[in-house]
Amino acid sequence: GQSLEQPSEVTAVEGAIVQINCTYQTSGFYGLSWYQQHDGGAPTFLSYNALDGLEETGRFSSFLSRSDSYGYLLLQELQMKDSASYFCAGDLNTGFQKLVFGTGTRLLVSP
Amino acid sequence: NAGVTQTPKFQVLKTGQSMTLQCAQDMNHNSMYWYRQDPGMGLRLIYYSASEGTTDKGEVPNGYNVSRLNKREFSLRLESAAPSQTSVYFCASSRTGELFFGEGSRLTVL
Repeated sequence: GQSLEQPSEVTAVEGAIVQINCTYQTSGFYGLSWYQQHDGGAPTFLSYNALDGLEETGRFSSFLSRSDSYGYLLLQELQMKDSASYFCAGDLNTGFQKLVFGTGTRLLVSP
Repeated sequence: NAGVTQTPKFQVLKTGQSMTLQCAQDMNHNSMYWYRQDPGMGLRLIYYSASEGTTDKGEVPNGYNVSRLNKREFSLRLESAAPSQTSVYFCASSRTGELFFGEGSRLTVL
């Protein structure tokens, strides 16, 4: 089957940079997405890597290496509001988003 | 600016009862999904509909049925609820590269 592994929790201070890693155990993923979820809320889309390499969107960047079955989300200039859970997700089909989600990383940002 | 709307937001059921979770999207997306999320776990796909008129099983379909009523609406039915189905259920729709989620339906089965 497919599985994506992430660290369960990461802590950092405001203004710092943090990297959340995602490794996966299948060769069938076409791309890697990242979603943010605040407690009690719905997941919201952050980024999608359809190709290997780095994608940058404001303070957030995401990286994918399919040859290494590895990706990461990089958050810069951390703010308190970035405290949330972050999920990587691999997609199994190019035509639509049939995603398999990782178990998530809880990011705690302290002052 | 509704996006994806789910009802109900909260529901308590007794074991063996049935219920339907409703989902509608107003973004004209072809694909729709039902996920469940349990504490400490990621989202697991229950069923999906790649386009109007088609549905297919995801990772954890047992105990559920779905109906893609039209392009906008995708419902999830529990025919005989079990405590193991206590979870938060999320409906989503997608355009290429991005899922849009509803706010979730919190279901407790006693």
